[in-house]
Amino acid sequence: EVQLLESGGGLVQPGGSLRLSCVASGFTFTTYAMSWVRQAPGKGLEWVSGISGTGDSTYYADSVKGRFTISRDNSKNTLYLQMNSLRAEDTAVYYCAKDWITRIRGVPHDAFDVWGQGTMVTVSS
Amino acid sequence: DIQMTQSPSSLSASVGDRVTIICRASQSISIYLNWYQQKPGKAPKLLIYAASSLQSGVPSRFSGSGSGTGFTLTISSLRPEDFATYYCQQSYSTSGLTFGGGTKVEIK
Repeated sequence: EVQLLESGGGLVQPGGSLRLSCVASGFTFTTYAMSWVRQAPGKGLEWVSGISGTGDSTYYADSVKGRFTISRDNSKNTLYLQMNSLRAEDTAVYYCAKDWITRIRGVPHDAFDVWGQGTMVTVSS
Repeated sequence: DIQMTQSPSSLSASVGDRVTIICRASQSISIYLNWYQQKPGKAPKLLIYAASSLQSGVPSRFSGSGSGTGFTLTISSLRPEDFATYYCQQSYSTSGLTFGGGTKVEIK
């Protein structure tokens, strides 16, 4: 069964740091790009960061650029999100998501086909 | 970044109704548009990819259409398990993926 399991969330003070982990199983982890998506309480979905299958390419939303770092350890089938200089507005459920690519008339299209259950991050004093 | 705007933000409908949700992109994204369903306390679930392709296992009452800047998600006959929030997402700009604000489908 394809599965993603996040951990590492919790309560942290403003300006603090936290590292999230996402362990993947049931698929060839190194083959797929991965992303982190968050959802503030009562709000919509916000893409946070993405990383290629090899880890060579990384991408960030402007709201977290310079504060968050995405990485992966393919030997451990694990995705990470290092979050520094945390702010109250970073409070959210953080999901990891598998980036599935299919081809339509030879053109690649991607979507998030597998999601973890989410881990809650609360930034508050 | 490409902005995605959904309408309406919420709607009330009855079981058996036909429901249409609209998603507009701030610039042309061809068919790089996905739809997700999210129920309270749960992770989102992929319904439609590439604007109109039905994800495996998703009931055929769900359909998607559109290209360029305008897209629709249609539920042909609403069932009780379809009451949820629906999000569109553009995959045109892989360095800056964005979601729509969501449409909550409630029971009338």
